[in-house]
Amino acid sequence: IQVTQSPSSLSASVGDTVTITCRASQGISPYLNWYQHKPGKAPKVLISGASNLQRGVPSRFSGSGSGTNFTLTISSLQPEDYATYYCQQTYGAPITFGQGTQLDIK
Amino acid sequence: DVHLEESGGGLVQPGGSLRLSCVVSGLTFTQQPMSWVRQAPGRGLEWVSGFSSGGLVPLYAGAVTGRFTISRDNAKSTVFLQMDSLRIEDTARYYCVKDAWGWLFDYWGQGIVVTVSS
Repeated sequence: IQVTQSPSSLSASVGDTVTITCRASQGISPYLNWYQHKPGKAPKVLISGASNLQRGVPSRFSGSGSGTNFTLTISSLQPEDYATYYCQQTYGAPITFGQGTQLDIK
Repeated sequence: DVHLEESGGGLVQPGGSLRLSCVVSGLTFTQQPMSWVRQAPGRGLEWVSGFSSGGLVPLYAGAVTGRFTISRDNAKSTVFLQMDSLRIEDTARYYCVKDAWGWLFDYWGQGIVVTVSS
């Protein structure tokens, strides 16, 4: 199962709302997770099952979608949110990650 | 607190072998599903191999099938990745990851670097 993530990079300012999209080559609901990865650190899971916020993750992060189309939305961007974000499908083996979206400060 | 620590990385020539180890603490390891995920320089995350179904069934990505072998020692709370016939394209940081359920990776090690070069 291929997952195509867009955009590959994104520039935004503190306080902005951004949306990252992940499209799967077939229906995978709800087996879509989102991770945040900062340089020099281990990736961190943000959202599981397309829309379930992990414990301790700020509520400005939200996920939605079904079937083949999913989105990660970050509201009111904070300085610590600048990172690379990945979607991951776990519907079928081998599990696959999207190509990543690098979120930079504008 | 759950902690994962990788070791065994380094520089190896194409065609060579390495064995990565990951010691896990802070949880009951037996039947705990575990995986390896890698990130090549300038690239994204790629799942390499892992145990599913109660931590017993090994699965592999197509790019490493037949060359890599995942195993575990429950008595030592350790998961291994034996990497044979290494290729330049296997150069990456390799992360040991804990599977919360259904390939959701909730804990990650810091990663270990493997460089395949002549």
